[in-house]
Amino acid sequence: AQSVTQPDIHITVSEGASLELRCNYSYGATPYLFWYVQSPGQGLQLLLKYFSGDTLVQGIKGFEAEFKRSQSSFNLRKPSVHWSDAAEYFCAVGSNTGNQFYFGTGTSLTVIP
Amino acid sequence: ETGVTQSPTHLIKTRGQQVTLRCSSQSGHNTVSWYQQALGQGPQFIFQYYREEENGRGNFPPRFSGLQFPNYSSELNVNALELDDSALYLCASSLGGGARSSSYNEQFFGPGTRLTVL
Repeated sequence: AQSVTQPDIHITVSEGASLELRCNYSYGATPYLFWYVQSPGQGLQLLLKYFSGDTLVQGIKGFEAEFKRSQSSFNLRKPSVHWSDAAEYFCAVGSNTGNQFYFGTGTSLTVIP
Repeated sequence: ETGVTQSPTHLIKTRGQQVTLRCSSQSGHNTVSWYQQALGQGPQFIFQYYREEENGRGNFPPRFSGLQFPNYSSELNVNALELDDSALYLCASSLGGGARSSSYNEQFFGPGTRLTVL
């Protein structure tokens, strides 16, 4: 069965520090992987996506993610966190048939000055 | 260009009642997906509609049903409401090509409808 695991429920980082949010997936075929951000009162916004090709993908707001098939992981990174990055982050996998979509339980990011 | 809109914003119902939630997709989008997001959880996929037909379904009982209209707007209907149905319901639209391509295209999410079941 398809599933997405985000092991870290909550992470706190200092402004300017680097960030890595973990995501592991379980999917039988080639996964289509996504990271979304959800701020309070806001809809989900796509940060980046991986379908194929280069395993390091660049997204908006300075985020990047690396797909590692051997580890079934798709971790999100940012070299220097800004206070405005405080939000809930969701990893998701889409089926290759295009009609199923699975989210992880999310990681809440707190940024301290 | 208008984004995805949902109505109502908030809704309170009692157990056993029925509810209808509405979603207007982004201009040009023909695919709508619905998600349930319980407090502190990630969104769970309910179903997807492509050109007025159900195109995929998650692990939700039949009392969760939907419609998509010719203008690609959509409704989510929930019958016999239960306390556990209390959640944020999210709608997302995308430009799909049917069963094999909706995941390739970015989904744009609405702000959601907060449903409380008492």
